[in-house]
Amino acid sequence: QKEVEQNSGPLSVPEGAIASLNCTYSDRGSQSFFWYRQYSGKSPELIMFIYSNGDKEDGRFTAQLNKASQYVSLLIRDSQPSDSATYLCLQNFVFGPGTRLSVLP
Amino acid sequence: DTAVSQTPKYLVTQMGNDKSIKCEQNLGHDTMYWYKQDSKKFLKIMFSYNNKELIINETVPNRFSPKSPDKAHLNLHINSLELGDSAVYFCASSRGGGGADTQYFGPGTRLTVL
Repeated sequence: QKEVEQNSGPLSVPEGAIASLNCTYSDRGSQSFFWYRQYSGKSPELIMFIYSNGDKEDGRFTAQLNKASQYVSLLIRDSQPSDSATYLCLQNFVFGPGTRLSVLP
Repeated sequence: DTAVSQTPKYLVTQMGNDKSIKCEQNLGHDTMYWYKQDSKKFLKIMFSYNNKELIINETVPNRFSPKSPDKAHLNLHINSLELGDSAVYFCASSRGGGGADTQYFGPGTRLTVL
C-alpha cells in the first residue's frame, strides 16, 4: 500500500515566521513530489514540485527532498495570514491527508 | 480563460438517482483525472484517462463510470447514488500521465445525496 503521510495540524505560526510542513512517503519507485495549497472551499493549486534530492527555492517557498529518509518538506518564509490554508503533498497520484496551516496576525 | 472547468458546481439529488458531472480542459493536455474529496477532506484518485484510454481505475464501485469522448473532456456518470457518494469531485488534467507532470484542478463539484 503506497502511503503519503502528513501531520494534520493545525500548525499555527505567527505572521513573519517560518512555517515548516513535512511529508513522508513509502513508495521509493516514484520520485516526483508536488506541494499543493487548498483554501477552504476551493480546488488545490500547485505551489511547487521537486524531483531531485536537496532544496528547491521559489520566492518565499523552499521544497526539500531527502530520498534516503523518504521525506519531503515545504518551508514558507515570512508567513502571511494569506498563507493560511491546507497544504497537500502529492506523490504519483497519492495525496497525503494535508496539513492545515494557520498564520496568526 | 478557464483551464479546467466542471459542471455543475453544485449537485443535490435523492438517493437512487443517476447523475453526471462534466469536465473540460483547454490546456491541450493528454491526461485527465477524477478525484474524490470526502468530508474529512481526504483527496483520493478515482480514474485517469490518457488520450481517451483508461489508465488508472482505483477501487471504485462500478456505479461510477467515466467517459472520455475526446482528450479534452472527461465526464463522470454515477448510477444509483448513495449517501456515501456525497463529496466534492475534482477533475484535473496534466500533460503526461506518468505522475511526473503537474496536475491542474477544476473548481470541483459538490455532490450532496439526500
